[in-house]
Amino acid sequence: NAGVTQTPKFQVLKTGQSMTLQCAQDMNHNSMYWYRQDPGMGLRLIYYSASEGTTDKGEVPNGYNVSRLNKREFSLRLESAAPSQTSVYFCASSGGGGRGNSPLHFGNGTRLTVT
Amino acid sequence: LAKTTQPISMDSYEGQEVNITCSHNNIATNDYITWYQQFPSQGPRFIIQGYKTKVTNEVASLFIPADRKSSTLSLPRVSLSDTAVYYCLGFEGGGFKTIFGAGTRLFVKA
Repeated sequence: NAGVTQTPKFQVLKTGQSMTLQCAQDMNHNSMYWYRQDPGMGLRLIYYSASEGTTDKGEVPNGYNVSRLNKREFSLRLESAAPSQTSVYFCASSGGGGRGNSPLHFGNGTRLTVT
Repeated sequence: LAKTTQPISMDSYEGQEVNITCSHNNIATNDYITWYQQFPSQGPRFIIQGYKTKVTNEVASLFIPADRKSSTLSLPRVSLSDTAVYYCLGFEGGGFKTIFGAGTRLFVKA
């Protein structure tokens, strides 16, 4: 099993460009998450999807949109990239009912630079 | 758990026991106390989870007092490879809004 797969691994964008970060999990998990991590900082939650068909804002949702395409896939879209969105983006999934009762499984991250 | 509070950084030497305490004053009845470890350039990985009292696995122990307003992650006999950031997680809303916070940077010296 691959676990959580993120594509692409690296991306460079110019200010104003758009792109979609892809995430897929093969563990039949209900919940999926997008985090960003700036250099030397902790992870901040952008959006999450508690179950297929639902999405909710996290701590830092501005400038992003998400789509829970099906149970396996959860994409993150930057409509008009800004230098402040330069970061490492992590996708995660969990099989439990929230409140920490099931571990999060993380992908390897997408390193995004906006110039 | 909502907001959690942990020390920003800690230093230790190889072979010592390290204890990292997390404060979670607003813990909800159904919240589990969950800790993660993150190495540079990698995603976090689950270390240990508990609800009350003490939990031990092959990596760490987790001590939770009766009031559950804090927890202590204990790493026995640390090595250089335990240098990492350790996160105590918080949960908001319906419990799926999972917050990592800044974490504790542990630096193990030879």
